[in-house]
Amino acid sequence: AQSVTQPDIHITVSEGASLELRCNYSYGATPYLFWYVQSPGQGLQLLLKYFSGDTLVQGIKGFEAEFKRSQSSFNLRKPSVHWSDAAEYFCAVGAMEYGNKLVFGAGTILRVKS
Amino acid sequence: DVKVTQSSRYLVKRTGEKVFLECVQDMDHENMFWYRQDPGLGLRLIYFSYDVKMKEKGDIPEGYSVSREKKERFSLILESASTNQTSMYLCASMGGQGHNSPLHFGNGTRLTVT
Repeated sequence: AQSVTQPDIHITVSEGASLELRCNYSYGATPYLFWYVQSPGQGLQLLLKYFSGDTLVQGIKGFEAEFKRSQSSFNLRKPSVHWSDAAEYFCAVGAMEYGNKLVFGAGTILRVKS
Repeated sequence: DVKVTQSSRYLVKRTGEKVFLECVQDMDHENMFWYRQDPGLGLRLIYFSYDVKMKEKGDIPEGYSVSREKKERFSLILESASTNQTSMYLCASMGGQGHNSPLHFGNGTRLTVT
């Protein structure tokens, strides 16, 4: 069965520091990969997505993610974190074989200290 | 921009009550979803619908049912609310062919069952 693992429940970084949030997946097919962000009291907003092609994808708010098939990973990165990036981040995986269903990771809560 | 509207932001219900959570989207999307979000568990799919009057069970359908009488509206029903259904409920819609299209989320309904 498909699964998504976000190993870090909480991460704290200083404002201006770089950020990497980890995501590993287990799928028996070519995955479609997504990162979503949820600010407090809000729904989830799409940051970026990977379907095919260039394995480094750019998203909104200065985020990027790299798909590494050999490591079954899709880690989210940002070179310089802003205080407004404090939120919860979710990795999600889908595949054509599984229809319209996405499987979400448990989420990583990002705290930004000034 | 796609707008997904959940009718209630907060709900407090008593054990045994029948509860209706309503969701409306304005982009003529075929696919609609109900998730529940719990700390440390991420988002878990309850039910989804890929067309009017069509529904499919997700990963945790027990204790829930859904209704999709019109394309824009997808209702989640708790037949007899229980305290373990206290959670954040997120509605989402998806257009296109699905599987590689992003989800568009509402802001959520926080349900407390006492």
